[in-house]
Amino acid sequence: QVQLVQSGAEVKKPGASVKVSCKASGYRFISHDINWVRQAPGQGLEWMGWINPNSGNTGYAQNFQGRVAMTMNTSINTAYMELRSLRSEDTAVYYCARGSHFVGTFCGGDCYDGVEVGYGMDVWGQGSTVSVSS
Amino acid sequence: EIVLTQSPGTLSLSPGERATLSCRASQSVDSFYLAWYQQKPGQAPRLLIYGASRRATGIPDRFSGSGSETDFTLTISRLEPEDFAVYYCQQSGNSPVPFGGGTKVEIK
Repeated sequence: QVQLVQSGAEVKKPGASVKVSCKASGYRFISHDINWVRQAPGQGLEWMGWINPNSGNTGYAQNFQGRVAMTMNTSINTAYMELRSLRSEDTAVYYCARGSHFVGTFCGGDCYDGVEVGYGMDVWGQGSTVSVSS
Repeated sequence: EIVLTQSPGTLSLSPGERATLSCRASQSVDSFYLAWYQQKPGQAPRLLIYGASRRATGIPDRFSGSGSETDFTLTISRLEPEDFAVYYCQQSGNSPVPFGGGTKVEIK
């Protein structure tokens, strides 16, 4: 079945780096973006960025520019997120999520089949807990 | 940068009642790229709605989405016990791809 399996929990000291992996199975890896989303304890969801495994193109949220790197290894269907210069505020659960462009029928005046009708993150990893503490 | 504001922060309802959740964008959003997610404690989020109104695979028809431009709504027609959770909207038409702050639907 389609799934994303992430690496295990990490404990890091401030100033260190962490690299989280996300292994995809059950679908064609290069056909979907991989997004990274984090959630601090008791807080909401924060989008960090995405990578297109086909092109290698990335896009990062402003909050993480210069401190995050998203990469992939298509030979093993795995995406990675590395976050540097960790601080206590980076303590969170980090999720990878597959982005899907949905195709369907769109009706305005006329109806058109086979067109893009939306985008969503439809498969999520189980989450990787990263704790940053001195 | 688009900001998504969800209201109310918490919704206290009983099973069987109707839930109406709001997501307001700071500027117009392409509805194709407006999605809703459900998250239960200790679990990863789950995609409910994409394209503002289309249910994802396996999502019951008591969940519906509507709206356009800056105002979007998620409606749960009759709450089931498993629907008590936190709900997030998100726009992904332009980078960055923000989430709203979430609405918690709790049992009254």
